[in-house]
Amino acid sequence: NAGVTQTPKFQVLKTGQSMTLQCAQDMNHEYMSWYRQDPGMGLRLIHYSVGAGITDQGEVPNGYNVSRSTTEDFPLRLLSAAPSQTSVYFCASTGPGTGELFFGEGSRLTVL
Amino acid sequence: GQQVMQIPQYQHVQEGEDFTTYCNSSTTLSNIQWYKQRPGGHPVFLIQLVKSGEVKKQKRLTFQFGEAKKNSSLHITATQTTDVGTYFCAGLRGGYQKVTFGIGTKLQVIP
Repeated sequence: NAGVTQTPKFQVLKTGQSMTLQCAQDMNHEYMSWYRQDPGMGLRLIHYSVGAGITDQGEVPNGYNVSRSTTEDFPLRLLSAAPSQTSVYFCASTGPGTGELFFGEGSRLTVL
Repeated sequence: GQQVMQIPQYQHVQEGEDFTTYCNSSTTLSNIQWYKQRPGGHPVFLIQLVKSGEVKKQKRLTFQFGEAKKNSSLHITATQTTDVGTYFCAGLRGGYQKVTFGIGTKLQVIP
């Protein structure tokens, strides 16, 4: 079982560039979410989705866009990267009933 | 908005000593979850507590949920080097779509 797959694992961007972090899950979970992890800040929710076609903002949504065209995929888009978006990004899907979050392995993004 | 405070932020213990991390929410929670993240890894689910005053054990780990459902703790008895990592609590207020994490407690175990 692949679980939650994130790509790329590492990325370096220049300020102003755009990019998409990919996330796919093969567990048929309805709920998916994106978090960023920064030292001393824990995991902060960026955007989440409760099903295909439905997305909503989390705690720190500014500078990020998401879409959910299929149950499997939940990409995160940075429209114009800023140094403040240097972070480790985790995608997660939620197990139905248990509420357990299944995390991908993370994407480390550096914005210069 | 909902805040989940977690202390301490760092803890160094000698192998064999006990360890506890505490979580406090500014609002009443429906559930609280605990995760462990090994260095360089991703968070992995440990357990979920749902009932007021609930206590659950997993081998050397004991999890508690407060009577008011606003605080929780994770206690590890006789730490081992395999316990090294960051432990996060995560609070939920109805539904699974929005989860608020504490900042985590980074545990170092000195052999």
